[in-house]
Amino acid sequence: AQSVAQPEDQVNVAEGNPLTVKCTYSVSGNPYLFWYVQYPNRGLQFLLKYITGDNLVKGSYGFEAEFNKSQTSFHLKKPSALVSDSALYFCAVRDPSSRGYQKVTFGTGTKLQVIP
Amino acid sequence: KAGVTQTPRYLIKTRGQQVTLSCSPISGHRSVSWYQQTPGQGLQFLFEYFSETQRNKGNFPGRFSGRQFSNSRSEMNVSTLELGDSALYLCASSLGQGAGGETQYFGPGTRLLVL
Repeated sequence: AQSVAQPEDQVNVAEGNPLTVKCTYSVSGNPYLFWYVQYPNRGLQFLLKYITGDNLVKGSYGFEAEFNKSQTSFHLKKPSALVSDSALYFCAVRDPSSRGYQKVTFGTGTKLQVIP
Repeated sequence: KAGVTQTPRYLIKTRGQQVTLSCSPISGHRSVSWYQQTPGQGLQFLFEYFSETQRNKGNFPGRFSGRQFSNSRSEMNVSTLELGDSALYLCASSLGQGAGGETQYFGPGTRLLVL
């Protein structure tokens, strides 16, 4: 069974500082990994994904994530945080080797608070 | 292209009633997935439809059901509503033909309150 963990319920960072939102996963095969962001009273917006290839993936709004197979992690990063980045961030995984590979499993979400 | 649309955006029902939510996917997308989002449980997968067939199902009771029409629009139905069904219901669409690496695009959600 596939699973994903976001160990931090909330991350606080000062505006202008680098930010990291952590995600670890568990799948039987090679994972497909995604990051989404959710603003209040809105649906989820796609940020980036890792399918194959370069371990460093660049996405929307200056976000990037690094796939680390040995640590089974896919942490989301941004070099300089903006107040407008404050939102709820979700990591998600698909296991393409499983029979129900279309099913996406989401983490519990990490609330990012960027302090002016 | 227009994004994923969900109707209605807000609903208030009472226990025991039933409710139907609607989702129109992005044009050309044939897969529609439904999720329930609550503060305590996070995002939980309900089911996924592709070409009018349910391909995957999450661990929800039979009170939760869905269907997909030939134009890929999807509806989900919850019968005999319980207080715990209060949640944001999110619909996501994707092309549906890939090997799992394709992106899901989410609608704004329907917020259901059960009194």
